[in-house]
Amino acid sequence: EADIYQTPRYLVIGTGKKITLECSQTMGHDKMYWYQQDPGMELHLIHYSYGVNSTEKGDLSSESTVSRIRTEHFPLTLESARPSHTSQYLCASRAEQAVGYQPQHFGDGTRLSIL
Amino acid sequence: QQQVKQSPQSLIVQKGGISIINCAYENTAFDYFPWYQQFPGKGPALLIAIRPDVSEKKEGRFTISFNKSAKQFSLHIMDSQPGDSATYFCAASMDTGRRALTFGSGTRLQVQP
Repeated sequence: EADIYQTPRYLVIGTGKKITLECSQTMGHDKMYWYQQDPGMELHLIHYSYGVNSTEKGDLSSESTVSRIRTEHFPLTLESARPSHTSQYLCASRAEQAVGYQPQHFGDGTRLSIL
Repeated sequence: QQQVKQSPQSLIVQKGGISIINCAYENTAFDYFPWYQQFPGKGPALLIAIRPDVSEKKEGRFTISFNKSAKQFSLHIMDSQPGDSATYFCAASMDTGRRALTFGSGTRLQVQP
């Protein structure tokens, strides 16, 4: 059973606010990911981290930023929320292994709605 | 450019029937093909996965068929149950670098009792 937690689960907030979405995992995984998912649509990678203090932008351009100060914690921040940021944000992590593929484990997501 | 194309968008199956979802990929560097199941309000959960060195993998009622030359793979759910009603995503990844997943657009499966 994967242990990856996202908070809040739902957030409705006004335009211009600063938002931080939390993601924590207790498995000690080095690799962590943020995906964005619009309702009924596929997931798109927006951020990736391969370890502490190492982050990269994903395939889908996003105005959000991330940080990785601790292995278990990978928060996503929007400095000034806009209605276009309304979406579901999913965090995932995976173990690193020299040989073979380790699956990504997902949290239950944060459904964000910007008014 | 959508690298993983999934069909159908939605599927209605009677209880006990077979559900079939198809995916096609373009990037020949992909070498890992998982299927994820997502229930409303939940994150995707890994269902079954296959590597391109095998043509079929079966786990319980779930089977992946893989055709490397056609760059296609499919999920078969045998004896479909109402509890299988969910959205299913195929995905693909490379076994190097980020190992990030490229997802298909999803199939909403409804199994009627």
